[in-house]
Amino acid sequence: AQKVTQAQTEISVVEKEDVTLDCVYETRDTTYYLFWYKQPPSGELVFLIRRNSFDEQNEISGRYSWNFQKSTSSFNFTITASQVVDSAVYFCALSEIDNNAGNMLTFGGGTRLMVKP
Amino acid sequence: DTEVTQTPKHLVMGMTNKKSLKCEQHMGHRAMYWYKQKAKKPPELMFVYSYEKLSINESVPSRFSPECPNSSLLNLHLHALQPEDSALYLCASSWGQGNQPQHFGDGTRLSIL
Repeated sequence: AQKVTQAQTEISVVEKEDVTLDCVYETRDTTYYLFWYKQPPSGELVFLIRRNSFDEQNEISGRYSWNFQKSTSSFNFTITASQVVDSAVYFCALSEIDNNAGNMLTFGGGTRLMVKP
Repeated sequence: DTEVTQTPKHLVMGMTNKKSLKCEQHMGHRAMYWYKQKAKKPPELMFVYSYEKLSINESVPSRFSPECPNSSLLNLHLHALQPEDSALYLCASSWGQGNQPQHFGDGTRLSIL
C-alpha cells in the first residue's frame, strides 16, 4: 500500500523567510510519480510540480524549489523569500497507476503555511 | 482562472432534497474525478471516469450517484444526504495516465441541514 506523510501540519513564518515543507512517501512500486499541489482559501487545488521516480534532478522555479531524494523517499518543497500570497495548504501526492483508467492520487495530510507580513 | 468549472459554488440542501453538482472541462482530458474534502483534511477520492465509463468507485454510498453524459461533463446527483456529507466537493480532470497531473475546479461547498 502506498502512503504519503507530511509531518508538519502547520507552519508559521514571517514574510521573506525561507520555509521547507517535508514530504515522505512509501510505495512498493519502482515506477511512481510525485506531485505537489497548493490549495488557497478559495478551495481550488493548483498543480505545482510533478516528479517521476526515475528522475532525481532537483528543480527550481522562481522562488520554489523541490528536492527529490529516492534514498530517503522524500520530496521536499522549499519556498525562498516567502510572501503573504504563499499562505495556503500544500499537499504532496503519490500516483502509481500508469494506464488509461485514471490515476489514483494518494495525498498526504497537508501542511498549512501561514506567512505573516 | 481554473480550466475546470464547477457549479454551483455553494449549495445548501435539506436531507430530503435532490440536487446535482456539475463539472465541465474543455481540455480534452479523458479522465474525470469526484473528490470529497472535509475541513483540514486531504481530498478523498469518490469516483473516477475514464473515457466516459465509471472505472473506480471508492465504496461511496448510493445516495451519491455520478453521471458522465459526455467527455466534457461530469455530474454528481445527490439524494437523501446526511449532515456528515457536508463538505467541499472537488471535480478534477486529467489525461488519465499515472504521470499526468489532475487539474481541479474550485469546488462546491455543500451544507446539509
